[in-house]
This record gives sequence, C-alpha cells and structure tokens, in this order.
Amino acid sequence: NAGVTQTPKFQVLKTGQSMTLQCAQDMNHEYMSWYRQDPGMGLRLIHYSVGAGITDQGEVPNGYNVSRSTTEDFPLRLLSAAPSQTSVYFCASSLRTGAQQGYSPLHFGNGTRLTVT
Amino acid sequence: EDQVTQSPEALRLQEGESSSLNCSYTVSGLRGLFWYRQDPGKGPEFLFTLYSAGEEKEKERLKATLTKKESFLHITAPKPEDSATYLCAVGTGANSKLTFGKGITLSVRP
Repeated sequence: NAGVTQTPKFQVLKTGQSMTLQCAQDMNHEYMSWYRQDPGMGLRLIHYSVGAGITDQGEVPNGYNVSRSTTEDFPLRLLSAAPSQTSVYFCASSLRTGAQQGYSPLHFGNGTRLTVT
Repeated sequence: EDQVTQSPEALRLQEGESSSLNCSYTVSGLRGLFWYRQDPGKGPEFLFTLYSAGEEKEKERLKATLTKKESFLHITAPKPEDSATYLCAVGTGANSKLTFGKGITLSVRP
C-alpha cells in the first residue's frame, strides 16, 4: 500500500493564480481531510469529507474548494492564490469514525509545500 | 472553543536523559487524545490514542498517559533517532475532526 499520496511536493504560484493539490489514498478510508501547517501554529483543518459526495468546512476554509467524487481522491483547489496561503498542506485519511466507534488514527501524506509570491 | 497547549516548545536532551512532554487541553467532552511524531519534511505519524483518564500506552521508549486535564509523553533513555516534533491532538466530536497543539521539538544529542 502506498498510503496517502500527495502531489506536487513543491509548488510556487503567483498571486491570483489557481491550482489543485492532489491527494489519493489506497486504504479504502471513508474519511479524508486537508490541513495546513504554518510556523508557530498547530495543524489547522481546512475541509473534510466523510465519504464520496459529502464534504464540509473545517476551521479555515476560505479561499479553498474541495470535492469528493471517489473514495480514493480528495483534491484541494485554490481559486485565486494569495500570499497568506503560503503554507505546507497535508492530506490525511482514516476509517470512518462516529460517536459510538471512537477515533481511528489519521494517516498523513508527506505534504505539499506551497509558496505564493 | 477547544484548546490544546503543548510545553515546552523545544527540548534538548542528552542521549539517555529521560524527560516528559506535556499536553494540556480545554475541551467540552473529550472523545480521544492523540500523539503524533513528525520528522522534518514528512507528514505526522501516529503514535498513540488515549480515551479516558488513567489510561496509559507504551511503545518502545515512549509512554503516554492521560488525566482529565493533560497528557504526558514520557521518553525513557532517549536516543538521537527520537529527535522529532511531537504533536498532541484532541478529538471532541464525530467525523475525526481534531484540534492540534503547536508541537514540541525534541532534540537528543549523542
């Protein structure tokens, strides 16, 4: 199993450009999510999905769009890049969890390092 | 609002010098507390999940404990390969939404 695969590993954008960060998992996990990690701050949740066709906002969703057409893929779209979106982006997945089932560990990809100039 | 505070921000140890990392939390209804390890340039890697006060889990030189207000990650006789950033996260609702602390950067000198 490859686990969680993120592409590209590095990206430089100019302000106003758009792009899609790719995330794929081969573990048949229902839950997928996107986090951003900035210096001096904890990981912050951008968007998440509990299954194909279902997405919801996290803590910092503005400027980002997601969709989930398959169980395996969960792309993150930057509509019009801004310097404030310079960050390291992590995709993570886990088995579906619920109030009765407890939490399954998140499996993270190795990140996409994005710079917006 | 859920809050997670990790201390110290950074810790430098000599090889073999045992110590503890702290994670204090303020949440409404803890469903689980997680510890992750993150190496430079990599994504976080799962270490432990703790669900209730008094619970303890061990893995090699690491032992995680949980009280009603905080969790400790005890490192016994650390080695240089234990050098990493250790992240604490809490889950308080369904759907695996976690709140992360800022992390503790551990450096172990040979």
